[in-house]
Amino acid sequence: EAGVTQFPSHSVIEKGQTVTLRCDPISGHDNLYWYRRVMGKEIKFLLHFVKESKQDESGMPNNRFLAERTGGTYSTLKVQPAELEDSGVYFCASNRRLLDEQYFGPGTRLTVT
Amino acid sequence: AQSVTQLDSQVPVFEEAPVELRCNYSSSVSVYLFWYVQYPNQGLQLLLKYLSGSTLVKGINGFEAEFNKSQTSFHLRKPSVHISDTAEYFCAVSGGNTGFQKLVFGTGTRLLVSP
Repeated sequence: EAGVTQFPSHSVIEKGQTVTLRCDPISGHDNLYWYRRVMGKEIKFLLHFVKESKQDESGMPNNRFLAERTGGTYSTLKVQPAELEDSGVYFCASNRRLLDEQYFGPGTRLTVT
Repeated sequence: AQSVTQLDSQVPVFEEAPVELRCNYSSSVSVYLFWYVQYPNQGLQLLLKYLSGSTLVKGINGFEAEFNKSQTSFHLRKPSVHISDTAEYFCAVSGGNTGFQKLVFGTGTRLLVSP
């Protein structure tokens, strides 16, 4: 079984540009989560999808961030326009049921210059 | 809001020595507790979890953790570390007033094992 995959592994963009991160969860996992780790701080929850619906987006920092999960499969996280403080590692995780282990992808390292 | 404290940002240790990575959490209600490990250039991997039952939890790679409700702690231990244990370790909690769908992480502890 393939694990959670994320693309790209690393992105370097200039302030004001747009970036789209992609996450492919494990097949059959209805729950998909986005987390972010900024500058060596704690990993923080961003949002949670159940299939294509946003179940909890309480961790989204502001309206420059837009997450989608069309069709309930892969998810994208768009940052527009990017700011310097958006730099960090963005992790995606998935599980089949809420109380199951969350399986994490390798993360996307975003650098905004 | 729940929080997790990992007081040690970095723990250096010699190979074959024992190690303890400390984790304290704040919650007045029942929670689930987790330790994740991140090896270089890899994603987070679950080491072990406490949901209920025995307070001593055994995980992969010889790690174990003990849930202490009175001290709100969930310290991770290994009696003898290997070079390959060099990684960053994250303590996390779910449940309580933030719900079971999101994990609240500590800031991580880098374990550096040297020969």
